[in-house]
Amino acid sequence: DGGITQSPKYLFRKEGQNVTLSCEQNLNHDAMYWYRQDPGQGLRLIYYSQIVNDFQKGDIAEGYSVSREKKESFPLTVTSAQKNPTAFYLCASSISRGNSGNTIYFGEGSWLTVV
Amino acid sequence: DQQVKQNSPSLSVQEGRISILNCDYTNSMFDYFLWYKKYPAEGPTFLISISSIKDKNEDGRFTVFLNKSAKHLSLHIVPSQPGDSAVYFCAASASLSGGSNYKLTFGKGTLLTVNP
Repeated sequence: DGGITQSPKYLFRKEGQNVTLSCEQNLNHDAMYWYRQDPGQGLRLIYYSQIVNDFQKGDIAEGYSVSREKKESFPLTVTSAQKNPTAFYLCASSISRGNSGNTIYFGEGSWLTVV
Repeated sequence: DQQVKQNSPSLSVQEGRISILNCDYTNSMFDYFLWYKKYPAEGPTFLISISSIKDKNEDGRFTVFLNKSAKHLSLHIVPSQPGDSAVYFCAASASLSGGSNYKLTFGKGTLLTVNP
């Protein structure tokens, strides 16, 4: 089945530790994204990547890092510099469209809790 | 600066009736709009979209209406079913130079409850 796979589903981290969330897609999509959801805040864009070896900061990139070494993979590292890392993280992907709307599709999400 | 607003945090309707979810936007550059449905602890599921060249798009029980002059869109669900109970997010994007657009801006969501 084609889709977007995030792992792990649940992750606990001690303060001061970095943690990496995995995201893999087999949809052959060019663009990939990381969003964060907090209660009452909707979805906020952390980073996005349009093509391999290229990525851009979203609205709340501070304290996060990403890489895009392969088309299928877009891991997100939550660093110790992120002040409020406890959240629900969502990976997404889309086809790059030249002249029409961009529908993005989401993975199942990863819960990160800092203890 | 919230560019996409869903002013109703929650909505409750009876099964079989119409559900109307509203969304307002402020950025006049937005030209593509989407609705997503989300259950707790799951990723959002794409429902329906509309381009700014249209004012209506229909897919089964779901219809999205766009009023560009008012910068307003709405999602109608008819008839509503208990399985429709979820959080609904409105999202919008703007074509960047060259015609490609990659970023979606989301509203904060509306919790729809459909009562049997």
